[in-house]
Amino acid sequence: ETGVTQTPRHLVMGMTNKKSLKCEQHLGHNAMYWYKQSAKKPLELMFVYNFKEQTENNSVPSRFSPECPNSSHLFLHLHTLQPEDSALYLCASSQELDPFYEQYFGPGTRLTVT
Amino acid sequence: TQLLEQSPQFLSIQEGENLTVYCNSSSVFSSLQWYRQEPGEGPVLLVTVVTGGEVKKLKRLTFQFGDARKDSSLHITAAQPGDTGLYLCAGVTLSGGATNKLIFGTGTLLAVQP
Repeated sequence: ETGVTQTPRHLVMGMTNKKSLKCEQHLGHNAMYWYKQSAKKPLELMFVYNFKEQTENNSVPSRFSPECPNSSHLFLHLHTLQPEDSALYLCASSQELDPFYEQYFGPGTRLTVT
Repeated sequence: TQLLEQSPQFLSIQEGENLTVYCNSSSVFSSLQWYRQEPGEGPVLLVTVVTGGEVKKLKRLTFQFGDARKDSSLHITAAQPGDTGLYLCAGVTLSGGATNKLIFGTGTLLAVQP
């Protein structure tokens, strides 16, 4: 596979479930990102990792827990979510952390919290 | 808080028509990017404009960065159904170095009818 892949593509979960989103990049990039895309709102940056180290957490609730075991993989662990957390969750990667470098996005995971 | 407002929010046109999408802010950005996001996919970078007043052309798409680097426009000539998608602008802030941030606009959803 090439580029940035995300699994699952669709996820429906109850408010008491625990699930994880997975992102993998095959581009040899050093920086990885989680974004949340909701209807009628700008793309929201959630977390940033650079060389496996978290460099940014944009005041994201603790029910979202990221994990970056290596520079090619990024996870987003979900637990006790709320219906307003339903959204498209996008993963992205870039060669370096500076926004000068193009970000490559995965296709996203469409999450529905019931 | 730096905001990028896009207009219009929605646009439905017939094949062959021309259109312009605007991206406006009260903040100055070091550069500005335009993305297109097709249904079921993540955003894909179309172009980056860096210099105030810069104009870049990509086939039927013309991108312009405002002289003051606070706004940008995307003009599509003779739109085709393949142009359908969500168009996002994103500004790179002027913080400097690795602390630069990418701020996304509110998006313009374009539908080109055959």
